[in-house]
Order: sequence, then C-alpha cells, then structure tokens
Amino acid sequence: KQEVTQIPAALSVPEGENLVLNCSFTDSAIYNLQWFRQDPGKGLTSLLLIQSSQREQTSGRLNASLDKSSGRSTLYIAASQPGDSATYLCAGGDQTGANNLFFGTGTRLTVIP
Amino acid sequence: DAGITQSPRHKVTETGTPVTLRCHQTENHRYMYWYRQDPGHGLRLIHYSYGVKDTDKGEVSDGYSVSRSKTEDFLLTLESATSSQTSVYFCATRGWGDEQFFGPGTRLTVL
Repeated sequence: KQEVTQIPAALSVPEGENLVLNCSFTDSAIYNLQWFRQDPGKGLTSLLLIQSSQREQTSGRLNASLDKSSGRSTLYIAASQPGDSATYLCAGGDQTGANNLFFGTGTRLTVIP
Repeated sequence: DAGITQSPRHKVTETGTPVTLRCHQTENHRYMYWYRQDPGHGLRLIHYSYGVKDTDKGEVSDGYSVSRSKTEDFLLTLESATSSQTSVYFCATRGWGDEQFFGPGTRLTVL
C-alpha cells in the first residue's frame, strides 16, 4: 500500500520568501502525483498534476517536480503571499485503471505579512 | 472546478440511523470517488465508480455502500451510522486528463 508523507506538518514564512514543500512516497510505481490546496473548512483545489513520465509542471508562481526513483516530489512557491496561507496536500495515484489517490496529511503553510 | 455539488453540507444524526450523502457532477466524468478526511489520517478512499452501476471498494469501505444509477450522481450510504463514521466526506471526479476535482465536502456528525 502506498504511504505518502509530508514534512513538516506546519511552516511559517515571511511574505516574499520562496519556499519548498516536500512530499515522499514509498511505492515508486505511481501513475501520477497531484498537489492540492485546502483552505480551512473548504474542499480541495487542484494545483498541479504530474504524470509519471514527466519531471515537473509549472503554473504561475508554482512549480512541482517529481523524482520517482527517489520517491520524492516538491512544490516550489515563489514570492509567497499571505493569500498562499493554506494546507497543501500531495497525493500519489496508483496504476490501477481507477488511478486511486493516496494522500499525505499535508503541510499547513502560514505566510506572515 | 468540475461542477461538483454535495448534499447535505452538514448533517447531525444518531447512532444506528441510515444516512445517504449525494454527489452531483455536471462534467460527464466517468470516474467518481468518495473519500473521508479525518485528523491525522489525511483523505482515504471509501468507494469509487467507473461508470453507471459499476463500483468498487476503496481502503476504508466497511460500513459504507454506494450506488450510481446516472452518470452525474454518486450516492454514499451509511446503513447504520456509528460514531467512528463522524468525519468530513468528499466526493471527487476524474477529468479526461486524470486530474481529480473535489466537491465542497459534507460534515457528518454521528452522536
């Protein structure tokens, strides 16, 4: 069974700083990896999806990388803003036809103005 | 956003009562999923569907059943609710590019 870990559980940074969130997974046979954002009391918003054949994906100030051989993914956020404060979740998709996701417990990010 | 709605958004019920949660999507996506989110566990898959009347179990399916009679609707039923089923329930769909999209969630409390 895929185990996904996100460390640290919480992170505080001053506004404007660049930061990296980490995600590790135990089974390198993932089909894809997806990063989400979750605001308190809300649902999940998809940020980036990386297919197993890709190394990275970019969207605006966000860049996600995937290294299957080492079982790691990172989410880089450039020039952080207070509006980036949220919990960030990563999830590895399995190789069944359903592409079921296995989630980490998230990193709670606070960007201090 | 894949046009996913969930109902009800909040529900309080008593142990032993049946409960049905509804998920509705407007994007005609084939795959639909039910997850639960609990502190310290992250999101875990309960059941999923790969088409009308086609469903399968996920990691934490005990005590839950599902049905999908139309492409746009996926129902999750707790036949006899227990306190351990107090949780936030999320529905998701899988788009054509494999990206999963989530609904706003249903907060269920079983007393």
